[in-house]
Amino acid sequence: AQSVTQPDIHITVSEGASLELRCNYSYGATPYLFWYVQSPGQGLQLLLKYFSGDTLVQGIKGFEAEFKRSQSSFNLRKPSVHWSDAAEYFCAVAPSTDSWGKLQFGAGTQVVVTP
Amino acid sequence: KAGVTQTPRYLIKTRGQQVTLSCSPISGHRSVSWYQQTPGQGLQFLFEYFSETQRNKGNFPGRFSGRQFSNSRSEMNVSTLELGDSALYLCASSLGLAGGPSTDTQYFGPGTRLTVL
Repeated sequence: AQSVTQPDIHITVSEGASLELRCNYSYGATPYLFWYVQSPGQGLQLLLKYFSGDTLVQGIKGFEAEFKRSQSSFNLRKPSVHWSDAAEYFCAVAPSTDSWGKLQFGAGTQVVVTP
Repeated sequence: KAGVTQTPRYLIKTRGQQVTLSCSPISGHRSVSWYQQTPGQGLQFLFEYFSETQRNKGNFPGRFSGRQFSNSRSEMNVSTLELGDSALYLCASSLGLAGGPSTDTQYFGPGTRLTVL
């Protein structure tokens, strides 16, 4: 079955430290891949997306993600986190162009930033 | 440019009632998708509308329905509410271009928080 897995439900990181959030997918072909962030009481904001080409994708707020086909992964990274990065992060996939409006989301990773 | 707006932001209903939620997409966007977010099930796709036609549908019972108007505004309706329908309902809009995410982006609204008592 098609699935999106975020293995870490909760991550605590110190301000200024690096952050890596994991995402694995299970699809027949390479889907379109996304990372969204949700702050409390807010909707989802797109951080970055991968659809083809360069496997290292740059996004907003200093985030980047690397697509690894061999590992079916699309991990999100940030070199130095800020207190404002505390939020919930969702990896999402769209299986094809025809159904790209139908995103399948992972369970999310809650990120806590400590001083 | 104004973002995606959803009304109302908060709603309290009782079991058995029905509810209608509204979503106004970004100007020029023709695709609207709806998602349900709950602590137990996470984010789940409900349906997508493009140019007044349902283009994709998720695995929800028939009590959940939607429609899109000629101005691209969309409504979703839930009839015979159940306690388990309590959730944050998010809508997202995009241009709906044929190229998909290579040329297009989904923008999410702030959501409508529905509480069923």
